[in-house]
Amino acid sequence: GIQVEQSPPDLILQEGANSTLRCNFSDSVNNLQWFHQNPWGQLINLFYIPSGTKQNGRLSATTVATERYSLLYISSSQTTDSGVYFCAVELFAGGQNFVFGPGTRLSVLP
Amino acid sequence: ETGVTQTPRHLVMGMTNKKSLKCEQHLGHNAMYWYKQSAKKPLELMFVYSLEERVENNSVPSRFSPECPNSSHLFLHLHTLQPEDSALYLCASSPGLLTGELFFGEGSRLTVL
Repeated sequence: GIQVEQSPPDLILQEGANSTLRCNFSDSVNNLQWFHQNPWGQLINLFYIPSGTKQNGRLSATTVATERYSLLYISSSQTTDSGVYFCAVELFAGGQNFVFGPGTRLSVLP
Repeated sequence: ETGVTQTPRHLVMGMTNKKSLKCEQHLGHNAMYWYKQSAKKPLELMFVYSLEERVENNSVPSRFSPECPNSSHLFLHLHTLQPEDSALYLCASSPGLLTGELFFGEGSRLTVL
């Protein structure tokens, strides 16, 4: 089955710093999502991005489907950005769609 | 109104209890899912429903029993659970079966004593 990897597994930042999170996947995918899991456990949708670049405030994401990776950029990080960031890929057909990566745990220090 | 709501948010139960988790989606989606998230483990897909019909069961023990009375509601009935079943249970929905943007509820944190 498809493998989804995320790096780094853990990241500690000072408030105001920028960061880049990476998601690699081993096969072609129909789509890709980024989520932020807050300290209370809720998974919040950040981007639904099969290819190209999208921006939402301080966050942006780029997916290069032909090279099988996606990047999530966080600029001017805030303590509320802390939590776990997951990417999830949607397969074209069959099997267990919505395969999740293991996540990147981000801690933003004041 | 939140797109996907789950109740209760927290649940503590003994191994002989029977309880249920409830999920409701207000997005007009056709597919609903139960995921389990244990400490330091990846998200595990438990059940998939499309238009109220179960289409996938990933070898989940029978002490977990799902119910989908309509396309907006999903339940997870719990019976004679084990302490290792303590986890965060997440409900999600998507426009189509295993396709489209996935939306999650806030989760139900279960502790089995």
